[in-house]
Amino acid sequence: AQKVTQAQTEISVVEKEDVTLDCVYETRDTTYYLFWYKQPPSGELVFLIRRNSFDEQNEISGRYSWNFQKSTSSFNFTITASQVVDSAVYFCALSEVRRGSTLGRLYFGRGTQLTVWP
Amino acid sequence: EAQVTQNPRYLITVTGKKLTVTCSQNMNHEYMSWYRQDPGLGLRQIYYSMNVEVTDKGDVPEGYKVSRKEKRNFPLILESPSPNQTSLYFCASRRRGDEPEAFFGQGTRLTVV
Repeated sequence: AQKVTQAQTEISVVEKEDVTLDCVYETRDTTYYLFWYKQPPSGELVFLIRRNSFDEQNEISGRYSWNFQKSTSSFNFTITASQVVDSAVYFCALSEVRRGSTLGRLYFGRGTQLTVWP
Repeated sequence: EAQVTQNPRYLITVTGKKLTVTCSQNMNHEYMSWYRQDPGLGLRQIYYSMNVEVTDKGDVPEGYKVSRKEKRNFPLILESPSPNQTSLYFCASRRRGDEPEAFFGQGTRLTVV
């Protein structure tokens, strides 16, 4: 069965601190995609990153970085020098991909509420 | 502009009064789906559609209906809403069933009293 676990329900930090959001996943498939989405207080879902199962390179985008480790089935997200505007709920998600199939549904974790205090 | 449009954004209704939440995408995507988001539970898939006239149940389909008569539209129908269907609903689309990129609508916050 596919499962995404975000063990941290809530995290609070002070501005400029670094923060890491954890994501652990379970899947029997060898081909899959992992995602992070941000949901600000306004409610919409903002796509942050997609990573496929064959690409274990870490990625950095500005203050954001992602650490994908297949050995531990983890896809952790780090915000460096956090800002108040980073306050949001962050979701990790898994999507299976199979040839000739209609699969590709997203399995979401329960989300981590990040609060950054000024 | 490529987008998924849901309407309404906010809705308060009474138990048992049928309602429809519309979803439309302008990207000619084949695959569309509905999710509900509840505190502490993340997003869970309600129904999905692989193409016109092809739909299937997700994880939490009870109390919902969908239809896919046109490629661009995928309405979510609550025949007899109940308070446990109070939730934030998202429509999503992707180009094909095996294409991972998903575009989400802005969300519909439904309250059933």
